[in-house]
Amino acid sequence: DTEVTQTPKHLVMGMTNKKSLKCEQHMGHRAMYWYKQKAKKPPELMFVYSYEKLSINESVPSRFSPECPNSSLLNLHLHALQPEDSALYLCASSPGLAGGPAKNIQYFGAGTRLSVL
Amino acid sequence: SQQGEEDPQALSIQEGENATMNCSYKTSINNLQWYRQNSGRGLVHLILIRSNEREKHSGRLRVTLDTSKKSSSLLITASRAADTASYFCATTLGGTSYGKLTFGQGTILTVHP
Repeated sequence: DTEVTQTPKHLVMGMTNKKSLKCEQHMGHRAMYWYKQKAKKPPELMFVYSYEKLSINESVPSRFSPECPNSSLLNLHLHALQPEDSALYLCASSPGLAGGPAKNIQYFGAGTRLSVL
Repeated sequence: SQQGEEDPQALSIQEGENATMNCSYKTSINNLQWYRQNSGRGLVHLILIRSNEREKHSGRLRVTLDTSKKSSSLLITASRAADTASYFCATTLGGTSYGKLTFGQGTILTVHP
């Protein structure tokens, strides 16, 4: 199974709502990532979890709160978002520290299309 | 600014033709990867080339890496309509930046049947 599953596929939320994005992988990968992607732009890294610990936070506003309950799951909690946060949110995973050069290959989910009204 | 810059930004060709995309980067890298993204979907890894490699092939894909010029190219031979997608190069720096992929701006490839 080389799949990263993201739910929901689409999400519309108001600026006062609280919602969560979910990501799951069963490849035994020990690194997981959240990216934000605007239309016609490359993905921008938000967070990296390595062995369930937050290792990189790219100065993301606190209205985005990541959580890694276990090695297979990654959540992104959303609260008080702004319209400019509307984007495609991508989750990815990679093998982790072991695995030679292949450890850098990331496997992406299909994304959650988020619209903030 | 972004580590990688890609050229051209958009490329339109006919089925059967070859497509070449270029990527430049600014600092020393451990390896460079190419990813494909179909419209509004996730990215799919295509190929990884290590900093000590100069050329790599995978099916219809050929990737070159010139570390002296800090550049890479992706050649897709005998293109098909299904190759229509955005293509991104991504570099890995390693060390304390482990796990961090830095993407180029991407090339939008359109292959006409």
